Amino acid sequence: QLQLLESGPRLVKPSETLSLICTVSNGSISDISFFGGWIRQPPGKGLEWIATIHPHGNTYHNPSLRSRISLSIDTSRDQFSLKLDSVTAADTAVYYCAKLGRAIDSWGQGSLVTVAS
Amino acid sequence: HSALTQPPSVSGSPGQSVTISCTVTSSDIDTYNRVSWYQQPPGTAPKLMIYEVTNRPSGVPDRFSGSRSDNTASLTISGLQAEDEADYYCSSYTSSATLFGGGTKLTVL
Repeated sequence: QLQLLESGPRLVKPSETLSLICTVSNGSISDISFFGGWIRQPPGKGLEWIATIHPHGNTYHNPSLRSRISLSIDTSRDQFSLKLDSVTAADTAVYYCAKLGRAIDSWGQGSLVTVAS
Repeated sequence: HSALTQPPSVSGSPGQSVTISCTVTSSDIDTYNRVSWYQQPPGTAPKLMIYEVTNRPSGVPDRFSGSRSDNTASLTISGLQAEDEADYYCSSYTSSATLFGGGTKLTVL
């Protein structure tokens, strides 16, 4: 079973950049069928798709966040990354990385990132 | 513009059946056949329960079933158990985006 784990700072100051890395194990993100995704969930609210990246370079972004998102992928380390610029308190959420595709069958445990000064 | 709409809450007593609906709005007809369902107990990551409308991953009890009628997909839980109390989300995807419904809180009375 593929395993995913988010890592990165848990506290980010307003106007700064949120950075998260997802490390994949028990499998390879070089697989042509792998789509790496980021999903977030503000406290007490629902799931929101942020973005998707494929090892061959295709990326897809939530239109509401597009201008603030940067994605990257490192197949040699089986990692993919998210950067979200100019954060505000509204970006406080649990951030999940996941394997997207026909369904989201593998999720990271989630990382609570708080935006506060 | 594509969207998924769920009722905010449903409830049922142990042993009963409950159904959660997910109304799909999309110009991409394949979106209707790509609906999946996720269970999320408090404080945990979502878990895949149903994919492509009706398919159940291994390990998911057969009390959970999915169906679709026109533009509405449904998740039915039969023989309700206390452990089924959780938030449930439907999801689908287009060629350029992943979509989530707003979530439905299932309360087992």
